[in-house]
Amino acid sequence: SQQGEEDPQALSIQEGENATMNCSYKTSINNLQWYRQNSGRGLVHLILIRSNEREKHSGRLRVTLDTSKKSSSLLITASRAADTASYFCATDETSGSRLTFGEGTQLTVNP
Amino acid sequence: NAGVTQTPKFQVLKTGQSMTLQCAQDMNHNSMYWYRQDPGMGLRLIYYSASEGTTDKGEVPNGYNVSRLNKREFSLRLESAAPSQTSVYFCASNRAGTSGRAGETQYFGPGTRLLVL
Repeated sequence: SQQGEEDPQALSIQEGENATMNCSYKTSINNLQWYRQNSGRGLVHLILIRSNEREKHSGRLRVTLDTSKKSSSLLITASRAADTASYFCATDETSGSRLTFGEGTQLTVNP
Repeated sequence: NAGVTQTPKFQVLKTGQSMTLQCAQDMNHNSMYWYRQDPGMGLRLIYYSASEGTTDKGEVPNGYNVSRLNKREFSLRLESAAPSQTSVYFCASNRAGTSGRAGETQYFGPGTRLLVL
């Protein structure tokens, strides 16, 4: 069963625009992570936000976490064509011993 | 550092054939994981090894076996391949260990694309 659910499933924007992806989950977590996957490649870790944090930044990435709503968002500012990829959220559940991945958002940035 | 490496990159099998997917990491990580990725399904955990000498089932272990050969290497074996096992297989590792948290950052290999006819 999937813990995280991303929204939207697909997003197409123009270069320079901001991209926002959302992730909802069902149970209590220790942390939530975002990964990027370029076509035909493995997943690459982007950012980890712990359950006691509300916002975190890394370069052009901004992640928020609302544990009361069990949701997170990933904002990519000033997008570039190279940001075209699938983005996955993954949750570390307090009751579990492993990461649980969502189904991903396919982002296309048009030049 | 090569990070996490996987072999082969691509494999075609006939139903009933067997094969072993190899994974190695050079980051001195304690824990290693095998996932499969299917369209629209995200990643699903097949097996994991929290430390050398231990293995545990994940979400979808049926039809697979694993071996933690040493701290660096974690292999996944399909004894009798079925078309339902057509997928992309990813190996990952992290520092977690048996006393740590499996949910810390994981580092992924490039994947093995498997087609079972």
